[in-house]
Parts: sequence; structure tokens; C-alpha cells
Amino acid sequence: DAGVTQSPTHLIKTRGQQVTLRCSPKSGHDTVSWYQQALGQGPQFIFQYYEEEERQRGNFPDRFSGHQFPNYSSELNVNALLLGDSALYLCASSSPKQVDYGYTFGSGTRLTVV
Amino acid sequence: AQRVTQPEKLLSVFKGAPVELKCNYSYSGSPELFWYVQYSRQRLQLLLRHISRESIKGFTADLNKGETSFHLKKPFAQEEDSAMYYCALSGPGAQKLVFGQGTRLTINP
Repeated sequence: DAGVTQSPTHLIKTRGQQVTLRCSPKSGHDTVSWYQQALGQGPQFIFQYYEEEERQRGNFPDRFSGHQFPNYSSELNVNALLLGDSALYLCASSSPKQVDYGYTFGSGTRLTVV
Repeated sequence: AQRVTQPEKLLSVFKGAPVELKCNYSYSGSPELFWYVQYSRQRLQLLLRHISRESIKGFTADLNKGETSFHLKKPFAQEEDSAMYYCALSGPGAQKLVFGQGTRLTINP
């Protein structure tokens, strides 16, 4: 089991551009959450997808949007990139159906906005 | 408001010494508490959760609801314990995780 896989691993974008990050959850998991981790900070919750719908959302602007596909994989889209969007973006999968659920994290996508 | 505070950004102890990483939280209700660890060049991984009440790699954490704390402890530190440690909480039902800022633990030989 490959666990949670994220692509790409690194990305450099120019201010004002748009970016799409991808996540495949761990086998058996149906819920995907996205987190932003700025340098020296703990991860901050962006949003969570379950059954192809956004179930919870953190304090992030509408420039951040997402999608979940029928195979449970997910995308995070960020429009009109700002320098402050530079961060490590983490995907975590889970399944609330499991009695002892847990969150499994991917290695992240390092986004640099220049 | 949901908040997790880890007062120490850096913690350095000698091998064999006891370790305590502090974590305080703010939450209305009964949260689930976690400790996550990130070793060098590895992904964030779950170390332990309070409802399991188990010891992982010699670490334990007791939930103190009166003091709203969930400190992580290990009686004898080992060099391989050097890592970044994050305390986190969530509401019931696989809700979002709220993380602290993290504590970088360094074990000196």
C-alpha cells in the first residue's frame, strides 16, 4: 500500500497564476483533507472532502477550491497566487467508517510563488 | 475557539534524560487529542492518540481535562527521538485537525 500520494512534489509558480495539486488517498480511505504548512508553523486546515462534497472548510479565501472524484482522489486549486501562498501543502486521508480512524498524511507538495 | 499551544519551539535534552513536550489546548467540549511526529525527510505520522491510551516508542501522553493539557513524555530519550513533534486536536467524527506550532526535539549524545 503506497499510502497517500501527492503530486507534484515541488512546484514554482508566478504571482497571479493558478495551480492544481493532486492527492490519492490511502486504500480504504474515502475522506480527503488538505492542509497548508507555512515555514516554521504547524499545518493549517484548508478543507475536507467526503462523498465528493466539501464537508468542512477552514479560514481560507475562495481562491482556494477543491474537488473530490468518484475514486476518492482529490485536487486542490489555488487561483490568483500570492507570494504568501508559498508553503507545503499536505493531503491527509481518513475514513470515518473505521472504528479506530486515523489520518494518514502524504509527503506534501512544496509550492513556491515568485 | 479551538486552539493548540506548544510553548516550546525548541527542546534539547541529553540521551537517557527524561523528555516532556508540553501541549495545552482550548476547546468547547470533549476533543480528541493526538501527537504527530515528523522525522527528518519523512512524512507526518501519528505517534499516539489519547483514546488509545497506549505507549508508542516509549512515549506516553495523559489527557488532563482540568488543566487542558496533553503533555508528551518519555522517561529515557534516545537519539532516534530527534524530530519535529506536533500536538493536535479534533472534534468527534473525523473532523479537522487543529495543530500546534510544533516543538523541535533534539537529543544530544
